[in-house]
Amino acid sequence: ELKVEQNPLFLSMQEGKNYTIYCNYSTTSDRLYWYRQDPGKSLESLFVLLSNGAVKQEGRLMASLDTKARLSTLHITAAVHDLSATYFCAVLPGAQKLVFGQGTRLTINP
Amino acid sequence: GAVVSQHPSRVICKSGTSVKIECRSLDFQATTMFWYRQFPKKSLMLMATSNEGSKATYEQGVEKDKFLINHASLTLSTLTVTSAHPEDSSFYICSATWTGPEAFFGQGTRLTVV
Repeated sequence: ELKVEQNPLFLSMQEGKNYTIYCNYSTTSDRLYWYRQDPGKSLESLFVLLSNGAVKQEGRLMASLDTKARLSTLHITAAVHDLSATYFCAVLPGAQKLVFGQGTRLTINP
Repeated sequence: GAVVSQHPSRVICKSGTSVKIECRSLDFQATTMFWYRQFPKKSLMLMATSNEGSKATYEQGVEKDKFLINHASLTLSTLTVTSAHPEDSSFYICSATWTGPEAFFGQGTRLTVV
């Protein structure tokens, strides 16, 4: 059974700091997704990583994928309060069903 | 990006009644639609996968008679919660895919059964 594990599950940090969320998965997959969810809202797509070594950046967020290590990271640079949300990674193995991590609840304090 | 519209966004219904939630792909034809359920502060739990014109495939533990899914066209899937009870209260989210690598999510439906 495919498992997707995020670390940490809860993260409280100060504005201006850098931090990384990790996403490990247990089986081969060439597709890795990152989503953001605000309270009471649905998912917002952040990044789609489609190959080993893929790196994508949008504003203060940067995601990378290492398919050999089965690891993706979401790096936050100089965090701002607006980035407070829950972040999910998800993997799409051959079965064509997204498998989600547990989510990382990020709180950024002024 | 592609747009998936889900309605209603919120619904309150009485115990024992049925509720229908619609999921529409507005600017693309969805080959596959997915229905998720999300409990508070938890991740998304896949309930079922539906392809246009065929029966939905339900995940283990999901009651197909309780959660009826119809995928009548390439742009519309519906989830009907039949004989709803308070324990069915949850946040339901649909998503749709087509030929590309991305899944597009609806806005979600907050169901409260009283």
